[in-house]
Amino acid sequence: QVQLQESGPGLVKPSETLSLTCIVSGASISSHYWTWIRQPPGEGLEYIGYIYYNGRTNYNPSLRSRVTISEDTSKNQISLKLSSLTAADTAVYYCAKIRDGYNYVDYWGQGARVTVSS
Amino acid sequence: EIVMTQSPVTLSVSPGERVTLSCRASQSIRNKLAWYQQKPDQPPRVLIYDASTRAPGIPARFSGSGSGTEFTLTISSLQSEDFAVYYCQQYNDWPLLFTFGPGTKVDIK
Repeated sequence: QVQLQESGPGLVKPSETLSLTCIVSGASISSHYWTWIRQPPGEGLEYIGYIYYNGRTNYNPSLRSRVTISEDTSKNQISLKLSSLTAADTAVYYCAKIRDGYNYVDYWGQGARVTVSS
Repeated sequence: EIVMTQSPVTLSVSPGERVTLSCRASQSIRNKLAWYQQKPDQPPRVLIYDASTRAPGIPARFSGSGSGTEFTLTISSLQSEDFAVYYCQQYNDWPLLFTFGPGTKVDIK
């Protein structure tokens, strides 16, 4: 059973950089696609980007200039950095796994709630 | 960019009723569509992928249909645990992008 656990600061100041980590168990991060998705309070889901084999990445064009997704294979974890934060970045951030060959999300973390406020 | 829309925004139904939710894509996405269910303070879970294939462990009362730009999720007899928000998601643009619809909330009449 694949499990994902996000962690990071719950409160970040405007203009700062958000850093989140997702620890994966039950699967090797080197063998699959992993994605970050966020959900502002009371709103829908927004794709942020993904990372796959050997650290290759793809980002949502609307966030590309501010996003970095990376991996640490020794710890079997992936990370998200989002810079130049504003209140609009307040959301629950989910780490998730994409099913090989089908491209939908088959496993989700519980989410990390992030508030951007001074 | 493919834009996904869903209707209705909210649906009020009674347990036992049949429910039909709609999802539309701004251009053809073939059958590259998934449906997710999300309950309060929980992550989404996949119900249907490839427009009509039930994900493992999903009850048979959930079914999906459609292709191209028009898709439907049907719940044959709504159970109390089915009150939730339902999202569709296209992955035809993969590996460049995938996008979600705005969701339909199914609540108790």
